Amino acid sequence: EAGVAQSPRYKIIEKRQSVAFWCNPISGHATLYWYQQILGQGPKLLIQFQNNGVVDDSQLPKDRFSAERLKGVDSTLKIQPAKLEDSAVYLCASGVADTEAFFGQGTRLTVV
Amino acid sequence: GQQLNQSPQSMFIQEGEDVSMNCTSSSIFNTWLWYKQDPGEGPVLLIALYKAGELTSNGRLTAQFGITRKDSFLNISASIPSDVGIYFCAGQGVSGGGADGLTFGKGTHLIIQP
Repeated sequence: EAGVAQSPRYKIIEKRQSVAFWCNPISGHATLYWYQQILGQGPKLLIQFQNNGVVDDSQLPKDRFSAERLKGVDSTLKIQPAKLEDSAVYLCASGVADTEAFFGQGTRLTVV
Repeated sequence: GQQLNQSPQSMFIQEGEDVSMNCTSSSIFNTWLWYKQDPGEGPVLLIALYKAGELTSNGRLTAQFGITRKDSFLNISASIPSDVGIYFCAGQGVSGGGADGLTFGKGTHLIIQP
């Protein structure tokens, strides 16, 4: 069974630029999460989707971050404009209700 | 928001030794999970705990869900080189509307000296 796919693996951008990350969850998984992991810390939930609807985006900085899952499968997370403090690994995870979520390898973002 | 205090931050041990790490929370969780993360990879689930007081084993790993639902520990027996990595505790609460995202601790970095 294929795992959660994320791209790109690495991205370097200048501050104030825009960036987008893509996630393809495990087939059949209705729930999709985006987490931000700053170096030396545990992942922090940004947003949770159930199919194409947002379940929880309370920790998403909505002035610069946006995410969508239009057809209830793939998802895109965007940052516009990026700040230095956005440098982190962005992890996508997917799961089925009431069972464990599986994580992708993440996208490492460096903002310079 | 909810915070998890995970300790120790790092551990330097000899191969073959036992390891113990724990996590405490200011809030109650319905589920406690323990993950391992290798460099350049996403976290991988090791053990999930669903009931207060539950003690669960997975090979050389043993974890317990505290009675108060505010703490958990993970033990690793007879450590081997491949146990090196960062271990995270995570709590899962119950909010309205099906929100079940995880709250993670800051991790315990396990280093094994041959």
